[in-house]
Amino acid sequence: EPEVTQTPSHQVTQMGQEVILRCVPISNHLYFYWYRQILGQKVEFLVSFYNNEISEKSEIFDDQFSVERPDGSNFTLKIRSTKLEDSAMYFCASRLAREYEQYFGPGTRLTVT
Amino acid sequence: AQSVAQPEDQVNVAEGNPLTVKCTYSVSGNPYLFWYVQYPNRGLQFLLKYITGDNLVKGSYGFEAEFNKSQTSFHLKKPSALVSDSALYFCAVRASKSSASKIIFGSGTRLSIRP
Repeated sequence: EPEVTQTPSHQVTQMGQEVILRCVPISNHLYFYWYRQILGQKVEFLVSFYNNEISEKSEIFDDQFSVERPDGSNFTLKIRSTKLEDSAMYFCASRLAREYEQYFGPGTRLTVT
Repeated sequence: AQSVAQPEDQVNVAEGNPLTVKCTYSVSGNPYLFWYVQYPNRGLQFLLKYITGDNLVKGSYGFEAEFNKSQTSFHLKKPSALVSDSALYFCAVRASKSSASKIIFGSGTRLSIRP
């Protein structure tokens, strides 16, 4: 069964550094999402992406964040200058055009020191 | 604004007993509701959804959920719990009618099944 994959599984970075989190959505899916989950808290929406552009972004998704679909398979989330409060589990999700449920990857645990 | 509430942080059930994980929703218009499960150090796995149709929807791993419009609830159920069902369960709702709509998650309920 096709799955969303994410790399790396764990990323440790110093405050102020740039990080890129990578995702490979399910191949025939057209809608892509990033969510994050700070330890012990709710899963929060960051951004949705369709037809090579951002459809919606949350207040969390400020100028330090960007997303890109550089080729036909990858979907990336970049944080330009990480802050301590960016430490969280970041989930990528994708879905078919005609369905409503989203399929999530295993997540990347980002630790900012 | 659309929202879901999970009133219980933790539910404890003995193996073999039925289980219920509660969820209530608040939406404008027709609700599009979901249940997801998260095992330790894993992503969110889709269990089931209610979009329209029968109020009782069946999903993965023997789980089902009952949509109740009058009580604005969407409780997750299973007739006979397994130890392997122990995990974190999230109720969720589609936020809007926009085609790229995000999902809004509840705070989660930790289900613990004792042998």
